[in-house]
Amino acid sequence: AQRVTQPEKLLSVFKGAPVELKCNYSYSGSPELFWYVQYSRQRLQLLLRHISRESIKGFTADLNKGETSFHLKKPFAQEEDSAMYYCALSGGNQGGKLIFGQGTELSVKP
Amino acid sequence: DTGVSQDPRHKITKRGQNVTFRCDPISEHNRLYWYRQTLGQGPEFLTYFQNEAQLEKSRLLSDRFSAERPKGSFSTLEIQRTEQGDSAMYLCASSIGGNTIYFGEGSWLTVV
Repeated sequence: AQRVTQPEKLLSVFKGAPVELKCNYSYSGSPELFWYVQYSRQRLQLLLRHISRESIKGFTADLNKGETSFHLKKPFAQEEDSAMYYCALSGGNQGGKLIFGQGTELSVKP
Repeated sequence: DTGVSQDPRHKITKRGQNVTFRCDPISEHNRLYWYRQTLGQGPEFLTYFQNEAQLEKSRLLSDRFSAERPKGSFSTLEIQRTEQGDSAMYLCASSIGGNTIYFGEGSWLTVV
């Protein structure tokens, strides 16, 4: 079964602390993994995708096929990082549709 | 704003009524997706179109739900005989092929 699991509903950290949002997936094949972010009162938007191997707003994520994980990391959290974060996967022959996790709310306190 | 637009943004309807949502994708995006999101959950895939062809429908899409994209541009999602369990945010998204998927702001449905 295709599934994305984000074990933490809420993650609360202080400004300047490191952040790691966990994501595990189940997929028989070679999926493409994404992180989407939704800031307050804004639409869902792409943060990063594993194939691009970019660092966006200081966030990085490495695909670990052995552990079937795609954790999102940032060394120093900022207050403006507070948002809902969704991990998602797309299968190679699934027309690009995304399967999302339940989301993790990141709260960065001053 | 040249992003994905959805209308209406909010809809309150009585149980048993029909509702229709419209989605205008980003110009020239050939793929269009519908998702449903309930509180505390991530978006769940409902269906998608490539141009005017509906290529996949989720098992979540009961017979009361129908989606169309007649000219390969805008799309409509109709829910007939609404039930309280249909209350959710209905998200539309579009892309060019398998590239980045862009989401609209969603249409909130409340069935009372």
